[in-house]
Amino acid sequence: NAGVTQTPKFRVLKTGQSMTLLCAQDMNHEYMYWYRQDPGMGLRLIHYSVGEGTTAKGEVPDGYNVSRLKKQNFLLGLESAAPSQTSVYFCASNKLSDRGRFYEQYFGPGTRLTVT
Amino acid sequence: AQKITQTQPGMFVQEKEAVTLDCTYDTSDPSYGLFWYKQPSSGEMIFLIYQGSYDQQNATEGRYSLNFQKARKSANLVISASQLGDSAMYFCATIYNFNKFYFGSGTKLNVKP
Repeated sequence: NAGVTQTPKFRVLKTGQSMTLLCAQDMNHEYMYWYRQDPGMGLRLIHYSVGEGTTAKGEVPDGYNVSRLKKQNFLLGLESAAPSQTSVYFCASNKLSDRGRFYEQYFGPGTRLTVT
Repeated sequence: AQKITQTQPGMFVQEKEAVTLDCTYDTSDPSYGLFWYKQPSSGEMIFLIYQGSYDQQNATEGRYSLNFQKARKSANLVISASQLGDSAMYFCATIYNFNKFYFGSGTKLNVKP
């Protein structure tokens, strides 16, 4: 199993350009998440999905859109990139344990995005 | 909303000694989970340990244990017998309402030989 993969690993954008980050998981997890991590800080939740076809806003959703057309994929879009979106982006997925509790979030390796 | 506080930006520990990393949380939800993650300089997030709010016993995973004090709303990570490879950022996190995760600002641990 590949676990959680992210594409691309690095990207440099100019202000105003758009791009899509792809997250894929092969563990049949229902829940998927996008986070950003700024220097010296913890992760902040951008958007999340509790199942195919559903998405919801997290803590810092402005400037981003997401889609979950297939259970295994979760896309993060930047329509008009801004320097404030320079960050490392992490995707994660998790399952419910057999007792219906969250147990472990599996993270992708991250995408380092620079907006100039 | 949930809030996670890690008050130690950086810590040093001597190799082979134990170290405690502090974490406090703020929630009004009776059902929640607490996590610890390790982030080495390479950047990946590595799951270490999980504690559910209804778990009666403190969670342990190898050299990691979680000192869960519910009344004080603290979930400190204890690393026993520190190793040089333990040098990394450590993040405490909580899950709220079954689908939202909140992370603390992290503690940078340096293990000295």
